[in-house]
Amino acid sequence: NAGVMQNPRHLVRRRGQEARLRCSPMKGHSHVYWYRQLPEEGLKFMVYLQKENIIDESGMPKERFSAEFPKEGPSILRIQQVVRGDSAAYFCASSQQGAYSYNSPLHFGNGTRLTVT
Amino acid sequence: SQQGEEDPQALSIQEGENATMNCSYKTSINNLQWYRQNSGRGLVHLILIRSNEREKHSGRLRVTLDTSKKSSSLLITASRAADTASYFCATDAGADGLTFGKGTHLIIQP
Repeated sequence: NAGVMQNPRHLVRRRGQEARLRCSPMKGHSHVYWYRQLPEEGLKFMVYLQKENIIDESGMPKERFSAEFPKEGPSILRIQQVVRGDSAAYFCASSQQGAYSYNSPLHFGNGTRLTVT
Repeated sequence: SQQGEEDPQALSIQEGENATMNCSYKTSINNLQWYRQNSGRGLVHLILIRSNEREKHSGRLRVTLDTSKKSSSLLITASRAADTASYFCATDAGADGLTFGKGTHLIIQP
């Protein structure tokens, strides 16, 4: 029973390029969350999605960032025209129940470490 | 905004000793969760305590919750080298998903 799978583990992009981060939730989970973590910091919520729907994107920067969770395939976090400040670890988590009940824990992937040069 | 904040930021103890970490939060919650993160890995859920619970145990872990003080503590008894990790509390208050603190970095010295 595979856990949350994220790829790639490490991604290096030059300024101005696009970064695409993929996340496959645990089997049976239809709720996906993306978080960003800077060194020595906690996780900052970015977006919460269900299949084909964005439920809460209050943590997403207004520009350059987008997320989707299509009917088929993994969830994608897309960062256009990356800048050095985008360098961080991006974690995906999934859960069985919805975010706002939160009686079920989040299951995290091992993250994608994005470095912008 | 930072909802949960852990204290201390870092803690170093000898193997076999008990480790206590604290978490304070600002607004009302439905539940509070503790997670562990090993270096370079994702977070692993440890324990969830609901707002109407005061104490919960799981193996060597003991979590308390004081809603009047808006605080929680995580106690790890008989620590082991493998407990070396960062520990985060997370709360479900607010509209911005599950909110994490900055964590306590725990080092267990052999």
